[in-house]
Amino acid sequence: DIQMTQTPSSMPASLGERVTISCRASQGISNYLNWYQQKPDGTIKPLIYYTSNLQSGVPSRFSGSGSGTDYSLTISSLEPEDFAMYYCQQYDSSPLTFGSGTKLEIK
Amino acid sequence: EVQLVETGGGLVQPGKSLKLTCATSGFTFSNAWMDWVRQSPEKQLEWVAQIKDKSNNYATYYAESVKGRFTISRDDSKSSVYLQMNSLKEEDTAIYYCTPGGLFWGQGASVTVSS
Repeated sequence: DIQMTQTPSSMPASLGERVTISCRASQGISNYLNWYQQKPDGTIKPLIYYTSNLQSGVPSRFSGSGSGTDYSLTISSLEPEDFAMYYCQQYDSSPLTFGSGTKLEIK
Repeated sequence: EVQLVETGGGLVQPGKSLKLTCATSGFTFSNAWMDWVRQSPEKQLEWVAQIKDKSNNYATYYAESVKGRFTISRDDSKSSVYLQMNSLKEEDTAIYYCTPGGLFWGQGASVTVSS
């Protein structure tokens, strides 16, 4: 199975700050990488697919990049609604696997 | 509006069975490959099972951790997908989500396996 190492596990940040979350795969995943946001009520929202493509309705302050084994999610200027959990997920090979999550907290 | 509603969760003893149902609407269910994904109490997400569409002969795939114990199925006439869970273990305790390839998500069904 492909292991996804996501860092950091938690990140205190301030409104308006630029933040980056990283995800490293145990082997190359050819950009088959999704990002999800999960709110405290459990609601999961897809943000980005195939490394850098924004899902419909996702604000442009979110962006994704990467290649090979290393990928990242960047939020250019934090809004109040962005404080949540974030997960990466590879779909290059079965089984699909997820990172362990990053909790974005208000500083 | 897309909706996915998972039901059938609950508290069950180890070794017992439970069947989850995911009723969907708002997208072309018959063409969708449907997944079950679970989230442990430690918040780790784990893919559980997938069922493909009719054109792919409803092929099914399972995580090693549930293979032989869980069965995924679907009823296109009801736009629903199911997860039959047998021989449940305490480590199966989780919130179970159904999703068409991660594109849409429901609120999840809580399953607790405990004596």
